[in-house]
Amino acid sequence: GQNIDQPTEMTATEGAIVQINCTYQTSGFNGLFWYQQHAGEAPTFLSYNVLDGLEEKGRFSSFLSRSKGYSYLLLKELQMKDSASYLCAVRDSNYQLIWGAGTKLIIKP
Amino acid sequence: DAEITQSPRHKITETGRQVTLACHQTWNHNNMFWYRQDLGHGLRLIHYSYGVQDTNKGEVSDGYSVSRSNTEDLPLTLESAASSQTSVYFCASSDEVAGPYNEQFFGPGTRLTVL
Repeated sequence: GQNIDQPTEMTATEGAIVQINCTYQTSGFNGLFWYQQHAGEAPTFLSYNVLDGLEEKGRFSSFLSRSKGYSYLLLKELQMKDSASYLCAVRDSNYQLIWGAGTKLIIKP
Repeated sequence: DAEITQSPRHKITETGRQVTLACHQTWNHNNMFWYRQDLGHGLRLIHYSYGVQDTNKGEVSDGYSVSRSNTEDLPLTLESAASSQTSVYFCASSDEVAGPYNEQFFGPGTRLTVL
């Protein structure tokens, strides 16, 4: 079967750095997405990786290792507004998105 | 600005009733998707469409149906609502399926309660 694993919840301090991991086992791979979802709101796109390596976008970076079935999202200089759930999704061989359950990130002052 | 809207935002209904959730997008995207989101689960795909008159079943399609008569709308119908269908429903759209990026844009969601 297809499976995506992420930690359920993480806590970090304002101004710090946090890394959210995602491991996946899917039938085929056509890219990995990270989305941010604030409570009661819709998911919004953060990043996309299809090749191994690091993609940087401002305070957010995302890393992919296809051979290990592993990705992480790195958030730097954490702000209170970064408190949200972070969803990992893999596009499989049928170009469907398979979603992880999400990681709830709590930022403390 | 282009957007994707859903209505109603909240709905309470009774077991056995037919319910239709609306989704309307002005992105002019070919692809539209319906998901449900429940605690402890990732987004789960209910139905999707790659264009007018095209509809496909997703992972959790039992008890749901969709129709695509134009580019902008993909209504989701619960034929006979069940308590297990209490959930938050998200509609999404995307431009292409297989190209780079082609992220999905999500509507604000509909919270459905079946009593």
